[in-house]
Amino acid sequence: GNSVTQMEGPVTLSEEAFLTINCTYTATGYPSLFWYVQYPGEGLQLLLKATKADDKGSNKGFEATYRKETTSFHLEKGSVQVSDSAVYFCALTFPYGQNFVFGPGTRLSVLP
Amino acid sequence: DGGITQSPKYLFRKEGQNVTLSCEQNLNHDAMYWYRQDPGQGLRLIYYSQIVNDFQKGDIAEGYSVSREKKESFPLTVTSAQKNPTAFYLCASSVKGRETQYFGPGTRLLVL
Repeated sequence: GNSVTQMEGPVTLSEEAFLTINCTYTATGYPSLFWYVQYPGEGLQLLLKATKADDKGSNKGFEATYRKETTSFHLEKGSVQVSDSAVYFCALTFPYGQNFVFGPGTRLSVLP
Repeated sequence: DGGITQSPKYLFRKEGQNVTLSCEQNLNHDAMYWYRQDPGQGLRLIYYSQIVNDFQKGDIAEGYSVSREKKESFPLTVTSAQKNPTAFYLCASSVKGRETQYFGPGTRLLVL
């Protein structure tokens, strides 16, 4: 079946540090890949997405590149801020598919 | 402003009681979804609906029921058969045939 694996958290960084959160997937076919962010006590917000191999999604300084050869979609940011503290979810779905498959989430804490 | 609203923000259930969580969207989306999120975990799909008057069970439908009488509304009832209902419940919607799901702010259900 389809699945998403994320690096274990929590991840704790100092402000302005470089961030990488690893995400790998197992899927039959060519899914679309997503990163969602959840701030404390809130719902999920779409952060970025990529729909085909080698696509790069980017938003708010975050980037992720769809790597078919390594089945990965790692999230990166060059300089994190305290306001980036949240839980980050990697997810996949298929075009015209009904359901998302979410990873377990990675909690990021950024210290001033 | 277009978006998804969920109410109430917090809900308390007594033993043996059914409770209903509201989800409304004014995005004109055809598809709507209910997810359950347990502490420190990812999202699990409860029910989804692709069109009015039709819905399908997700991965953990037991103890829950839904209806889809209007395009804008997809209420979730947590029945007394759900023995461990304490969780954060998230509603989402999407354009039919498109992948991106948009989430509401969530309802936290607690058992008295």
